[in-house]
Amino acid sequence: EIVLTQSPATLSLSPGERATLSCRASQSVSSYLAWYQQKPGQAPRLLIYDASNRATGIPARFSGSGSGTDFTLTISSLEPEDFAVYYCQQRSNWPRFTFGPGTKVDIK
Amino acid sequence: QLQLQESGPGLVKPSETLSLTCTVSGGSISSSSYYWGWIRQPPGKGLEWIGSIYYSGSTYYNPSLKSRVTISVDTSKNQFSLKLSSVTAADTAVYYCASSGLQLVPDYWGQGTLVTVSS
Repeated sequence: EIVLTQSPATLSLSPGERATLSCRASQSVSSYLAWYQQKPGQAPRLLIYDASNRATGIPARFSGSGSGTDFTLTISSLEPEDFAVYYCQQRSNWPRFTFGPGTKVDIK
Repeated sequence: QLQLQESGPGLVKPSETLSLTCTVSGGSISSSSYYWGWIRQPPGKGLEWIGSIYYSGSTYYNPSLKSRVTISVDTSKNQFSLKLSSVTAADTAVYYCASSGLQLVPDYWGQGTLVTVSS
């Protein structure tokens, strides 16, 4: 089973700052990595799929990069609504998939 | 645009079977364009994929839950269902149904339903 680790566990930043979130896979997942945003009491929302493709309606301040085992989600300038938990998810053995443990982005 | 809605009991007794249904609107559950799946989230914790089903009836389960899980489709009602047997307190979670389309990632989600396992 492919295990995903995310770092840091918590990221404390101010609005307008740049956020850089990391996801590492225990073995190569090629580019089959997605990112989700989850706010309290809500279902996760797809942000990025296949490492770098923004989902429909996702603002350009969200970008993804990486391949193989190391991936990054970047939020170029944090808006108040971006403070949430972010999960990475791999689908290299689709239709089976796994999620990372999440990174919480909170207000400094 | 697809919409998904979970339904089922919010409280299940230990050792019993958890049963949930996801009703799909805005699209056909018989479409070859989607996979349908269940994902859960224990309170305050992360996301866990439970399993998925394709319109053909092919099923795929998380190995850690495989012996207890059954996912099925009811095309006449445009629904798919989850059964999880022999539940314990560790199965207490918000259960989400979701669809995966052309991008092969869950992109439409239900709002989630909290299921508590307690006597």
